[in-house]
Amino acid sequence: QLQLQESGPGLVKPSETLSLTCTVSGGSISSSSYYWGWIRQPPGKGLEWIGSIYYSGSTYYNPSLKSRVTISVDTSKNQFSLKLSSVTAADTAVYYCARRSVITYYFDYWGQGTLVTVSS
Amino acid sequence: EIVLTQSPATLSLSPGERATLSCRASQSVSSYLAWYQQKPGQAPRLLIYDASNRATGIPARFSGSGSGTDFTLTISSLEPEDFAVYYCQQRSNWPSTTFGPGTKVDIK
Repeated sequence: QLQLQESGPGLVKPSETLSLTCTVSGGSISSSSYYWGWIRQPPGKGLEWIGSIYYSGSTYYNPSLKSRVTISVDTSKNQFSLKLSSVTAADTAVYYCARRSVITYYFDYWGQGTLVTVSS
Repeated sequence: EIVLTQSPATLSLSPGERATLSCRASQSVSSYLAWYQQKPGQAPRLLIYDASNRATGIPARFSGSGSGTDFTLTISSLEPEDFAVYYCQQRSNWPSTTFGPGTKVDIK
């Protein structure tokens, strides 16, 4: 059974960089059948796609966040990571990692999510 | 950016009733639309993809229809576990994707 687990600090100071890692178990991140992505959800609000990465390292970012986002993959550890720079209170959200099929292009497996609060 | 709007914002129904949720796109997304269910404290779950295809393990009471700019998710007879928030998502401008603001289905 595929599982995705987000990890990283739950509190980040304004202007600093948010860093999260998603560990994939029960399947290989190097599969050519999937992309791997990050989605966030501010408290009480809707979902926002942040970006996606392929095992080869090809990345795709939400244009509204592109200048601040970096997503990377470590196939040896079966992990991929998110860095979001210059954070503000508006970046406070639950951050999810998820798998995106190259066949359907939708998110079919999700991590449980991790709350990141931006506050001094 | 393709904007999705969902209506109504909240739908109050009783178990056993039929639920009809709407998602409208600001421009045509062909059939490249999905529906997700999210319960409090949980990640979204994929229900329907490409407008009308049920995802693996999704009960037959969930069905989707539509194309172009207007889409509908129908729950034929609400079960207690169906009370949740439902989001639509489009992927027509791959790799970008956007989600709708959600419709909450709560117990009347």
